[in-house]
Amino acid sequence: SAVISQKPSRDICQRGTSLTIQCQVDSQVTMMFWYRQQPGQSLTLIATANQGSEATYESGFVIDKFPISRPNLTFSTLTVSNMSPEDSSIYLCSVEGAGVSTDTQYFGPGTRLTVL
Amino acid sequence: GESVGLHLPTLSVQEGDNSIINCAYSNSASDYFIWYKQESGKGPQFIIDIRSNMDKRQGQRVTVLLNKTVKHLSLQIAATQPGDSAVYFCAENSGGSNYKLTFGKGTLLTVNP
Repeated sequence: SAVISQKPSRDICQRGTSLTIQCQVDSQVTMMFWYRQQPGQSLTLIATANQGSEATYESGFVIDKFPISRPNLTFSTLTVSNMSPEDSSIYLCSVEGAGVSTDTQYFGPGTRLTVL
Repeated sequence: GESVGLHLPTLSVQEGDNSIINCAYSNSASDYFIWYKQESGKGPQFIIDIRSNMDKRQGQRVTVLLNKTVKHLSLQIAATQPGDSAVYFCAENSGGSNYKLTFGKGTLLTVNP
């Protein structure tokens, strides 16, 4: 399967600031996704990052709060804007179309965000 | 049983025992299911998958069973080892042009030496 990296691996940020998280894959993939995992909870899909067009957001997530870029088939960024303590979570990117099974999503290591 | 504070069901087993982790999925139209293992501080790791045209699939020390009648999925781990300690998530994909995965709550597996 593809090797997926995320930067930063963790960060502590102040309320009201923004953080951009990067996701890099070592091969071209068809689909890239961003998830949020709040402490002790399961994963919730934020949006599908579409190459060359606007991301597709899930209910409860908006572009102004979570702008996403996907300039090519190996890279995407997620920005968490105007952060509050409720944004403290693990943010994960995943990719599809990069492994033995083309339907399977493979995940990056995550970015652990703490907002003070 | 429930572990207060972690929001996750928990399963505790002895090393060498077999483990069974259960998952109820929500969408009868889902046609693809995946089990993930998430160790502390890491992203979810793919373990095994199964399509809706199958009811059983085996991997190395793991077996996934699918019961579409009651919308139930289980992961069996044979000869559980301390390295199997992690949170296990099931995920369902409703298929078609919809690539979205919906994740279950997760189960915390603790293997006692």
